[in-house]
Amino acid sequence: QKEVEQNSGPLSVPEGAIASLNCTYSDRGSQSFFWYRQYSGKSPELIMSIYSNGDKEDGRFTAQLNKASQYVSLLIRDSQPSDSATYLCAVNILTGNQFYFGTGTSLTVIP
Amino acid sequence: DGGITQSPKYLFRKEGQNVTLSCEQNLNHDAMYWYRQDPGQGLRLIYYSQIVNDFQKGDIAEGYSVSREKKESFPLTVTSAQKNPTAFYLCASSIGGTATYEQYFGPGTRLTVT
Repeated sequence: QKEVEQNSGPLSVPEGAIASLNCTYSDRGSQSFFWYRQYSGKSPELIMSIYSNGDKEDGRFTAQLNKASQYVSLLIRDSQPSDSATYLCAVNILTGNQFYFGTGTSLTVIP
Repeated sequence: DGGITQSPKYLFRKEGQNVTLSCEQNLNHDAMYWYRQDPGQGLRLIYYSQIVNDFQKGDIAEGYSVSREKKESFPLTVTSAQKNPTAFYLCASSIGGTATYEQYFGPGTRLTVT
């Protein structure tokens, strides 16, 4: 069973719409949750971290965590063409301090 | 500027040769990691180190070796024993310790072996 699962997409949304990306994880001992954005040919860039249940907002990005259901999501409001990238969900399990990554969801924002 | 540097950006080698990828950080982070990314796939952990002079194998350590002689440096050697070495290699670091913090990535090294 994979530690972290994401829908690979591709997900296409029109410019200005809300993009919703989802991620589920298997280990209930997971402590911290992260969203990374990766442009083609580049390294992942951290965009959001969330540690407790609920919502966390940062500009146009909102991360949502539900530990009971073991899912974390990322909402991108007012999507822009520059948001077109692959979004990686990552989970940190305190034991061993390892990070587990999903395979990523490809997002395309259509002008 | 604080950050993680990897060199070189592109690396070409002949099959059967060992090659060492450099990773340096000036973030004063204790933990450092090496990942491999293949096209259309997620990140797979090769090795990680929580502290100087100590490191652990990740999910795909076979054919790779590392050292951690200094806090700021975590070089990765891809040996000739690695069957499919062509990939995008990413180095990352985090504060480490008993709490969990964000992990930051270097720009990556794209290795091609022919």
